[in-house]
Amino acid sequence: QSALTQPRSVSGSPGQSVTISCTGTSSDVGGYNYVSWYQQHPGKAPKLMIYDVSKRPSGVPDRFSGSKSGNTASLTISGLQAEDEADYYCCSYAGRYTYVFGTGTKVTVL
Amino acid sequence: EVQLVESGGGLVQPGRSLRLSCAASGFTFDDSAMHWVRQAPGKGLEWVSGISWNSGSIGYADSVQGRFTISRDNAKNSLYLQMNNLRAEDTALYYCAKDTTQAVAGGEPDYWGQGTLVTVSS
Repeated sequence: QSALTQPRSVSGSPGQSVTISCTGTSSDVGGYNYVSWYQQHPGKAPKLMIYDVSKRPSGVPDRFSGSKSGNTASLTISGLQAEDEADYYCCSYAGRYTYVFGTGTKVTVL
Repeated sequence: EVQLVESGGGLVQPGRSLRLSCAASGFTFDDSAMHWVRQAPGKGLEWVSGISWNSGSIGYADSVQGRFTISRDNAKNSLYLQMNNLRAEDTALYYCAKDTTQAVAGGEPDYWGQGTLVTVSS
């Protein structure tokens, strides 16, 4: 159960697009289509942004999109806005009723 | 509106036990798998444990296997985490989270509570 690997930080100017990668193995990200992404602002609980690799919960802007290729999942934020500045975590089912989170990525809006 | 309210955290000495509770409302509790996720101060999220809607499927992180026990009482709309033989590295904010499905496999945590802080220190 090793944490999924995410870049420590990414940044972009308002209106630009940023992509966060989430690299695991064939036992987690690559083996199941149960990858989710969470946004966490300081002092707040995580908020689900993407589930089942690419599905958006009701109320999440369509600027947020998810995808997966092999053992790597990605979250793309298009049209970056100031309120998108937060920490983002990926999560994957890892078999035998277990899950694993990513190391987390800080998104900075320049 | 989905509400998850954790309780039971506090300061505890290494080697002692603590039981966390999560009171759920605003959704059909016995129709959802549930999770515990923790976050050490200044650190990332760590999945701790999950339980299916009928307690038939349960999973634990390697770091807590054999020390922590997850359970639920559907009649009380409540989730629990019994934590034994606590260690300093268990110090964290513990979140209760609802799953998107009934099973603790094939879904993901969606709604989260605000967490309860557990501090393990002598």
